[in-house]
Amino acid sequence: SQQGEEDPQALSIQEGENATMNCSYKTSINNLQWYRQNSGRGLVHLILIRSNEREKHSGRLRVTLDTSKKSSSLLITASRAADTASYFCATSDSWGKLQFGAGTQVVVTP
Amino acid sequence: GAVVSQHPSRVICKSGTSVKIECRSLDFQATTMFWYRQFPKQSLMLMATSNEGSKATYEQGVEKDKFLINHASLTLSTLTVTSAHPEDSSFYICSARDTDRMGEKLFFGSGTQLSVL
Repeated sequence: SQQGEEDPQALSIQEGENATMNCSYKTSINNLQWYRQNSGRGLVHLILIRSNEREKHSGRLRVTLDTSKKSSSLLITASRAADTASYFCATSDSWGKLQFGAGTQVVVTP
Repeated sequence: GAVVSQHPSRVICKSGTSVKIECRSLDFQATTMFWYRQFPKQSLMLMATSNEGSKATYEQGVEKDKFLINHASLTLSTLTVTSAHPEDSSFYICSARDTDRMGEKLFFGSGTQLSVL
C-alpha cells in the first residue's frame, strides 16, 4: 500500500523558476528518499535523507525532513526543461522496504 | 553507478499466455530484489520482495500463483505473469539493492510495459 501523499499532484513552471513539492507519510521511518521517473521509464535515485537529518543538498536539489510532522519537501532550484518528469518520495522502514508516494508530475516549459 | 537491466521493455501477448520478465543486476550482487507494478500516472505499488535462494514475500492482495517470482542467483530475478488477462496489463518495474555496499537506495530497471489482448 502507498505510504503517503504528495502535493501538488502536478506542477507546471517555466525554466529558471524553482519547483517545490511536498510529501507526507504515516508511519515511522528509517530514511526518506526522492526518485525521479521519466515517462515510461524506471526510477532514478535523487537523494536520501535519514530520519535524524533535517536538511540535505545535492546540486540544485534541496530536501527537508520534519519527522514531527511526518513530512518532507523537495526543492529544485533554477529548473530546466530537462527536469520535466514525475518525482516520487519513498519511505524506508527498518527492513529496507520502500513504499512510494503518489508522485508529483512536473512540467518545465522553456 | 550500479545498473539493473530489465527485459523485455515491452511485450504484447494474447490472453491466457504466460509472460516472463527478467531483472538482472549487471555490476553488483543483489540478495534482494523488489517487483513493483505501476498504472498510468499512478505510483508504484510493491508486489513482492524477491530473495535469492528462498521464496518471495508477497504483499497483501498479490496472488503468488499468478505472479511467480524466482530469484535463482545473486544477479537474476524473474517475474512470470501466468495465464495473463487484460487486467494484468500494466508497467512492471524491478529494483535491486547493492548487497555488498549495504546501500539503502534502490537501483531500478527501465520497466516492462505489458499489454494483454
